[in-house]
Amino acid sequence: QLVVTQSPSASASLGASVNLTCTLSSGHSNYAIAWLQQQPEKGPRYLMYLKSDGSHDKGIGIPDRFSGASSGAERYLTISSLQFEDEADYYCQTWGTGTWVFGGGTKLTVL
Amino acid sequence: EVQLVESGGGLIQPGGSLRLSCAVSGFTVSSKYMSWVRQVPGKGLEWVSVTYAGGRTYYADSVQGRFTISRDNSKNLFYLQMSSLRAEDTAVYYCATVLLGSYFDYWGQGTLVTVSS
Repeated sequence: QLVVTQSPSASASLGASVNLTCTLSSGHSNYAIAWLQQQPEKGPRYLMYLKSDGSHDKGIGIPDRFSGASSGAERYLTISSLQFEDEADYYCQTWGTGTWVFGGGTKLTVL
Repeated sequence: EVQLVESGGGLIQPGGSLRLSCAVSGFTVSSKYMSWVRQVPGKGLEWVSVTYAGGRTYYADSVQGRFTISRDNSKNLFYLQMSSLRAEDTAVYYCATVLLGSYFDYWGQGTLVTVSS
């Protein structure tokens, strides 16, 4: 079964960097994912598409501070030079034939 | 600029029906894969339905047989017809485009549906 797993929470200080992780279920380590950001009281925003080889394609207007990487079944979102506006929920999402799967989301707190 | 604006949410009794609309601009609704995704307040995202530009449509098991997706290409509108509503359908409903049936790239701001007596 296609599943993506995320840690529920993460925190980092203003100006620092943080890595968020999304783990694909067994047998799906070659799947691409997308990262989404949802700021409080807003709809989700597409950040990037991330392939298994680590190549990624960011959405329009997404700052260079956001980057992605892959290793095996892990997909990473790195946010550098953290801003208070980066405090949000971050979701990973993948897809199969006739199914679309979201991770449970990681709530990022900027200290 | 791509924009999606949902409307039609509100309070509805269990067993009732409701139609959500998504007005799009910046593209033609007939040319895109379109979807509805919902989010229980305070919880995560759940896909509800995805329709391909060619017409093939998928529904989540939780709504299969109760929800129907459609488009009005002349008005550039996208709909979600919901029937036999249950308390567990209470959520914010988002319309979103789906790039080539893969990931959700443009989102609306959502409309809240509350199913309660």
